[in-house]
Amino acid sequence: EPEVTQTPSHQVTQMGQEVILRCVPISNHLYFYWYRQILGQKVEFLVSFYNNEISEKSEIFDDQFSVERPDGSNFTLKIRSTKLEDSAMYFCASSGQEEGNTEAFFGQGTRLTVV
Amino acid sequence: AQSVTQPDIHITVSEGASLELRCNYSYGATPYLFWYVQSPGQGLQLLLKYFSGDTLVQGIKGFEAEFKRSQSSFNLRKPSVHWSDAAEYFCALGYGSYIPTFGRGTSLIVHP
Repeated sequence: EPEVTQTPSHQVTQMGQEVILRCVPISNHLYFYWYRQILGQKVEFLVSFYNNEISEKSEIFDDQFSVERPDGSNFTLKIRSTKLEDSAMYFCASSGQEEGNTEAFFGQGTRLTVV
Repeated sequence: AQSVTQPDIHITVSEGASLELRCNYSYGATPYLFWYVQSPGQGLQLLLKYFSGDTLVQGIKGFEAEFKRSQSSFNLRKPSVHWSDAAEYFCALGYGSYIPTFGRGTSLIVHP
C-alpha cells in the first residue's frame, strides 16, 4: 500500500539553527500539506501546496517557515532560526485530486526538539 | 468559520464494552468528515471517512460512524472495544480544497 514517508523520525537542533524536514508524498498525489502537533495539543494545519505553490497557509506559517518541492518526489519544510516553541511533531500529508479520493494520507511524523 | 469540536478529552471504557466518541462540526455546507487514530508515538491513521451518500460509514478495525446533519455530528462507535484500541482519536473536517481541520482529540483509555 502506498504511504507517505518522512525523514528523519526525530531531529534535535539548537535554538537559532535551521532545519529541513523531508517528506516523500504518495507518488500520484497532487496536494501536499504540513501539520504540526505540539505535545499534548491538537493537530494544527500549517500549509498546503499545489501546482508548485502554496495554496493555503495558517497564521502559524509565518516568514520563519518555507516549503519546497525541489524535485518530482520530495516535499520539504524549512524552519529558519528555530525557537524553543517550534518543538513539536511535524506531519506531512498528501491527497489526490479526484472526487472520492480526497482524504489526506499522513506520514509517521518527524519529532523536532529544539534545545 | 469551520470548526470541529470533540467535547470529551478523555474516555475510559472496559475491554469488551461499547464505545462512542463524540464529534460536532460547524460548517456552512456539507462537509467531508474523517476520523483518524493516533497510537502513542505514531502517526495518524485514517479510520473512516464520509463524503456523501449513506450516512452510516464503516471503517477499519471494526469502527463505524454516523453522519447526522440535523445534529451536526459525526460520532464514532465500536460495539466491543479491545485493549489495542487505546489511542488518541481525532475527528477532522475537510472543505474547499479538502484541507483537514482537526478537533482537539479524545484520548481513549481501555481498562482490562
